[in-house]
Amino acid sequence: SYVLTQPPSVSVAPGQTARIACGGNNIGRKSVHWYQQKTGQAPVLVIDYDSVRPSGIPERFSGSNSGNTATLIISRVEAGDEADYYCQVWDSSSDLYVFGGGTKVTVL
Amino acid sequence: QLQLQESGPGLVKPSETLSLTCTVSGGSISSSSYYWGWIRQAPGKGLEWIGSIFYSGYTYYNPSLKSRVTMSVDTSKNQFSLRLSSVTATDTAIYYCARRGGYSGHDDRGYFDYWGQGTLVTVSS
Repeated sequence: SYVLTQPPSVSVAPGQTARIACGGNNIGRKSVHWYQQKTGQAPVLVIDYDSVRPSGIPERFSGSNSGNTATLIISRVEAGDEADYYCQVWDSSSDLYVFGGGTKVTVL
Repeated sequence: QLQLQESGPGLVKPSETLSLTCTVSGGSISSSSYYWGWIRQAPGKGLEWIGSIFYSGYTYYNPSLKSRVTMSVDTSKNQFSLRLSSVTATDTAIYYCARRGGYSGHDDRGYFDYWGQGTLVTVSS
């Protein structure tokens, strides 16, 4: 089945930009969605369809998707952005929603 | 504001059946625009999709769990349910119910935009 690969962790200083990669074979041909999960809480959708921000999500969150890598970008990082982030696609070959392994973002 | 709430036993014995219900409030489960789903997360691990259901009763399941999963919907109560049979310790997880939005097609089945708070189910004798 389709595999999504994320780095286990990303560290970023406040005010800087965090880039979280999600790798997959020709992922640019798929729609990628991103979730933020803070400790002890349910996931929250922060980006859908590669780069669309749902209502209520700050403009600091953006996304891109091309080739074999999709990227979640968090600009002007704040302490409150510290969380695990997951990418997700639909794998039509296996009829399965696939999640990446998650990336822990630490704000230094 | 749409809200989802999981309910069910927090402890299930090995080989028995796990049963959970998700109650939807602030919106109708009978909307033709949305599917509903279950996702779980083992302690300290990532997210795993279990299955999804439409208000008509149409379902699709994770192939790796398909033989043990049954989902159902009760539109009169605005609820949908999950049954997972023959559980083992590896089924210990936080179980989330969620609304599935986005497109519905062969190559695209959207995202999960509203989630319940999750309920921890432990499989142990």
